[in-house]
Amino acid sequence: DSGVTQTPKHLITATGQRVTLRCSPRSGDLSVYWYQQSLDQGLQFLIQYYNGEERAKGNILERFSAQQFPDLHSELNLSSLELGDSALYFCASSPGGQTSGGYTFGSGTRLTVV
Amino acid sequence: AQSVTQLDSQVPVFEEAPVELRCNYSSSVSVYLFWYVQYPNQGLQLLLKYLSGSTLVKGINGFEAEFNKSQTSFHLRKPSVHISDTAEYFCAVTRGGSASKIIFGSGTRLSIRP
Repeated sequence: DSGVTQTPKHLITATGQRVTLRCSPRSGDLSVYWYQQSLDQGLQFLIQYYNGEERAKGNILERFSAQQFPDLHSELNLSSLELGDSALYFCASSPGGQTSGGYTFGSGTRLTVV
Repeated sequence: AQSVTQLDSQVPVFEEAPVELRCNYSSSVSVYLFWYVQYPNQGLQLLLKYLSGSTLVKGINGFEAEFNKSQTSFHLRKPSVHISDTAEYFCAVTRGGSASKIIFGSGTRLSIRP
């Protein structure tokens, strides 16, 4: 157990729908990062939050949004889902806003869009 | 911007043989470098990291990596692999200092033959 908790582990939904993925960071970590892992794109950085504020943005689609709440958990919202959104979505956390220590990853949410 | 290239998508080796997984990075500034391992159906786990100092870095599970600035490489090595090392390995880079995201390579699948 890495200490980063992601729910749900698996999600199957239809095209056009909206889903919410949840992440609880490791105790004491202030930063949360979201990554998408697919066979053709590899691991793509989506977005980072640090202590409730958006810190960095990557290749995140406009249909996707995220937030970090006062208790530091984070949610990634995916809307108007397309078949191509099927992927593993990872959340990672780190103590501060810097990356020198590396990240601690959760076990991921596997999203299947049918 | 930083980028990282993993030169081999798959590496098959026999059990107890040595292995080297190759990684090259591109950056015009100082960098931090990481190797992560992903076992089937799991999240990514940090194997080792290079921040500064000694160019030979030792990690968990008997792995080590050598930072070579002139060749912009950070190859991962293990003198004798086990079946349990079967996994996907990711090289990653981030800008040294106050960077806020880690960029991952496309991964190398290590398969161990008995």
